[in-house]
Amino acid sequence: DADVTQTPRNRITKTGKRIMLECSQTKGHDRMYWYRQDPGLGLRLIYYSFDVKDINKGEISDGYSVSRQAQAKFSLSLESAIPNQTALYFCATSDFYGDTDTQYFGPGTRLTVL
Amino acid sequence: KQEVTQIPAALSVPEGENLVLNCSFTDSAIYNLQWFRQDPGKGLTSLLLIQSSQREQTSGRLNASLDKSSGRSTLYIAASQPGDSATYLCAVGGSGGSYIPTFGRGTSLIVHP
Repeated sequence: DADVTQTPRNRITKTGKRIMLECSQTKGHDRMYWYRQDPGLGLRLIYYSFDVKDINKGEISDGYSVSRQAQAKFSLSLESAIPNQTALYFCATSDFYGDTDTQYFGPGTRLTVL
Repeated sequence: KQEVTQIPAALSVPEGENLVLNCSFTDSAIYNLQWFRQDPGKGLTSLLLIQSSQREQTSGRLNASLDKSSGRSTLYIAASQPGDSATYLCAVGGSGGSYIPTFGRGTSLIVHP
């Protein structure tokens, strides 16, 4: 089984709808991240969490919110989806230990907002 | 603000060639640098991570080097194969334990038979 899972894998929705993307991990990592990827713009950080009680905005948090329900679960919500939020969304985890902090990514959720 | 640039943006080579992908960054006070591979429509897979105190890391046909003073890293792929076709991204992490990586836009590699 995959260490980092994302649901759904694909979603098509309409402008104005509320959408939740879910991420679960079995790696036991404290740190979790949400990114979006757009063609030509690379990967951009939306939110990150270093533990259950720690939530931080990333580069592009406007229009998004997150919830860290447990160490293993980190959800991303689009309160009122708009077409320019159409993108590939990735969840990632990392475990800062010693001198390493390797990131592990989920398979991604392809979101289309019509 | 850290900026990460990857050159070239795209590369097409015949099978068997040795090739070098480049990653440059503007702030040399990094904690580590990580190279990823991404297949179309898929997630990112970590290839190599170089700590700031290291100069290079090797895994199979891959070798990544880091020169912090000049703000550069290279990913060397030996004897390229069609299965190496993917997008390669580098990410540099900040210092002080607050590892918030900044990603480059990637190099799209096609290795043709």
